[in-house]
This record gives sequence, structure tokens and C-alpha cells, in this order.
Amino acid sequence: DAGVTQSPTHLIKTRGQQVTLRCSPKSGHDTVSWYQQALGQGPQFIFQYYEEEERQRGNFPDRFSGHQFPNYSSELNVNALLLGDSALYLCATSLQGATLGNGYTFGSGTRLTVV
Amino acid sequence: AQKITQTQPGMFVQEKEAVTLDCTYDTSDPSYGLFWYKQPSSGEMIFLIYQGSYDQQNATEGRYSLNFQKARKSANLVISASQLGDSAMYFCAMRGYTGRRALTFGSGTRLQVQP
Repeated sequence: DAGVTQSPTHLIKTRGQQVTLRCSPKSGHDTVSWYQQALGQGPQFIFQYYEEEERQRGNFPDRFSGHQFPNYSSELNVNALLLGDSALYLCATSLQGATLGNGYTFGSGTRLTVV
Repeated sequence: AQKITQTQPGMFVQEKEAVTLDCTYDTSDPSYGLFWYKQPSSGEMIFLIYQGSYDQQNATEGRYSLNFQKARKSANLVISASQLGDSAMYFCAMRGYTGRRALTFGSGTRLQVQP
């Protein structure tokens, strides 16, 4: 039973460029949430996708956008990269309507470095 | 708004001893869930234990137990019989049952288990 798969695992980009990160959810999960984790900090919520729509959004600028596909996989896009966007990007998946205690399953993340 | 506070940036414990990691929270949600996650150097967030705000008993999962004191708004993680493999970052997180469908994380505690 595959867990959450994120790709790529590491990425180096130049300021001003654009990047796309990908997430395949755990089998049976239909909701995808993205988090940004800066070095030495806890993860911060970016947004959540369900039924191919952005359902909720954290305090992130419009440079951060996403998409969910019919197979529930998701992409996170970041435009006009800044040095401060360097972080570990985590994808967490869940099943809409499941009890809260079932929790979220996280991937191993994509480590983005902006130079 | 929700807030998680973890006041211990780092902790040391001897192998086979017990350790308590502190977590206090603040929320306006009447019902909520509290989570603990382990994050090894690989980056993946590993779910450890969950406590619902209306659960009558403290949660336990193997060597992990959650010391939930609702009046004090604390949800401390107790790890019994520490093992070398327990060395990692530990994050406390919460989510309300309604409204914002995102986890709010603390800043984490780095636990080092010494032989």
C-alpha cells in the first residue's frame, strides 16, 4: 500500500524562476494539503485541495498556486521565486469526512533551494 | 485563531528512560484535535498519537502517551523506554473540528537519545 509520494525530492532553482512540485496521495485519500517548512520551524499551511478545487488557503501570496487532478494527485506551483521560498514542501493527504483522529499522511517532502 | 507553543527547543534523554515533551495550545474552537508527529532527518512527518478534546481518557499508542490537561490547555507527549531511534524532531499540532481544515504546528522539540 503506497503512502504519499512527492517528487522531486530535491530541487535547486534561481531567483525569479518558476517551480512545480508534485504529490500522489495515499491510496483511498481524496484531499491534498500543502505545507511549507522553513529550516528550524514548524510547517505552515499553504492550501488544501478537494474535488479539484482550492478549499482553503493559508497566508501565502498568489505566487503560490495549485491544482488537483481527477486521480486526486496534486501540483504546487510557485512563480517568481524568492530566496525566502527555500524550504521543505510537504504534502499531506486525507479522506474527506473521515474522523479527525485518522489524521493526515505526509510525504517525505521536496526540499527546494532558491539561489 | 489557533496557536501551539513548544517551549523546549532541545531535549536529551538516556536510552531506556522516559521523557516528556511539552505542548500548550490556544484555540477558540469548542471542539478540536491534538496531534503529535515525529520528523526524522529524512523529512517525513510520522503520525504518533491523537487526542480529541472530548475524549475522556488520555490517548496511548505503544510507548507513546499523551498527558492531556484541558483546563491547562496542555497536551504533553510522554515517551517511555526511549530508544536510539527516537532521536528526531517532534511537533505538536492541532485542528478544529469545524472551520479551517488545516493543522497548526508548533516550532518543534529536537530530542536526542543518548546511549
